[in-house]
Amino acid sequence: AQSVAQPEDQVNVAEGNPLTVKCTYSVSGNPYLFWYVQYPNRGLQFLLKYITGDNLVKGSYGFEAEFNKSQTSFHLKKPSALVSDSALYFCAVTRWTASKLTFGTGTRLQVML
Amino acid sequence: EAQVTQNPRYLITVTGKKLTVTCSQNMNHEYMSWYRQDPGLGLRQIYYSMNVEVTDKGDVPEGYKVSRKEKRNFPLILESPSPNQTSLYFCASSLQGNEKLFFGSGTQLSVL
Repeated sequence: AQSVAQPEDQVNVAEGNPLTVKCTYSVSGNPYLFWYVQYPNRGLQFLLKYITGDNLVKGSYGFEAEFNKSQTSFHLKKPSALVSDSALYFCAVTRWTASKLTFGTGTRLQVML
Repeated sequence: EAQVTQNPRYLITVTGKKLTVTCSQNMNHEYMSWYRQDPGLGLRQIYYSMNVEVTDKGDVPEGYKVSRKEKRNFPLILESPSPNQTSLYFCASSLQGNEKLFFGSGTQLSVL
């Protein structure tokens, strides 16, 4: 069975500081990894995905994620946080044969002035 | 505009009264799925469909039905809703199951 763990319910960061939202996964075979963001009272939006290749994946709104196979992690990062980045972030995993997509429980990012 | 459309946006019903939440996409996507979002539990997949007439259970299918008679539509049916199905529901679609998902705006369901 595949699973995703987002160990932090909430991450607080000051505007302008770098941010990291953590994600670890478990899946048999090669993973397809995703990050989605949910802004207040809105649906979910795709941020980025990892399939294969470079371990550093760049996505929307200046976000990037680092894939680490040995640590089975896929942490989301941004060099300089904005107040507008405050939202709920979800990590998700599937396999290349894909059918079921498993999400983590979400991490609320709060960026403060 | 490419989009996934869910209706209704809000729904309040009573235990046992059958209801349907509609989902339609205009992107000719093969893959469609339903999720429920609950505080502390994240998003959990209810059912998914790889193509027309092909559906399969996700992680929490009990109490739900789906059908995929046409490529663009994937309704979620609750034949006898119960209070534990009170949740925020999302429909999503993608080209294939391992591609990025496009989500609908969500349906907030309350079962009294």
